[in-house]
Amino acid sequence: GENVEQHPSTLSVQEGDSAVIKCTYSDSASNYFPWYKQELGKRPQLIIDIRSNVGEKKDQRIAVTLNKTAKHFSLHITETQPEDSAVYFCAASEGSARQLTFGSGTQLTVLP
Amino acid sequence: DADVTQTPRNRITKTGKRIMLECSQTKGHDRMYWYRQDPGLGLRLIYYSFDVKDINKGEISDGYSVSRQAQAKFSLSLESAIPNQTALYFCATSDFPKGQGGYTFGSGTRLTVV
Repeated sequence: GENVEQHPSTLSVQEGDSAVIKCTYSDSASNYFPWYKQELGKRPQLIIDIRSNVGEKKDQRIAVTLNKTAKHFSLHITETQPEDSAVYFCAASEGSARQLTFGSGTQLTVLP
Repeated sequence: DADVTQTPRNRITKTGKRIMLECSQTKGHDRMYWYRQDPGLGLRLIYYSFDVKDINKGEISDGYSVSRQAQAKFSLSLESAIPNQTALYFCATSDFPKGQGGYTFGSGTRLTVV
């Protein structure tokens, strides 16, 4: 089955700086890669996703890049703000199955 | 707003007891999932269902069972609870194949087994 590894497990940045979280996956058949944000005490919420036929996708201050050859994808957050502090999860799924395999999460802290 | 609702929000139970966690959704999605969240381990799949007659085991199904009572309802049972089942449990629905497959999560059930 699919295995997703996520790094780093914790990340602290100064407000206004950029943050990058990286994930690798094992199943070359995976073709859908969402990212979730989980604020303290709340449910994970989808923030951005990308399909394997696209190399990059942006939504305001967040972007995701995908390298299918290397089987890794990354989340980029620019101009970080205190409200970006949360746990971020990457995930991958393949084909018609679409059950997601999640990474172990990254605790992002934005320091004022 | 269409949503995914879990009950109870918090539960403390004793070792050996049977317990049921319930999930209902108004999203109109066919696919439903149960995940378990533990610190440092992310979210791990327990069971999933693509429709009322289709139930599948996930990565960590031992010690758990599920029931899909209707398209909108998917329950998770712990047959005989043990302390290492203490965790945060999430139900989720998926819009696939109509959508991309992104999940909508319920608000979670924090279960403590003592």
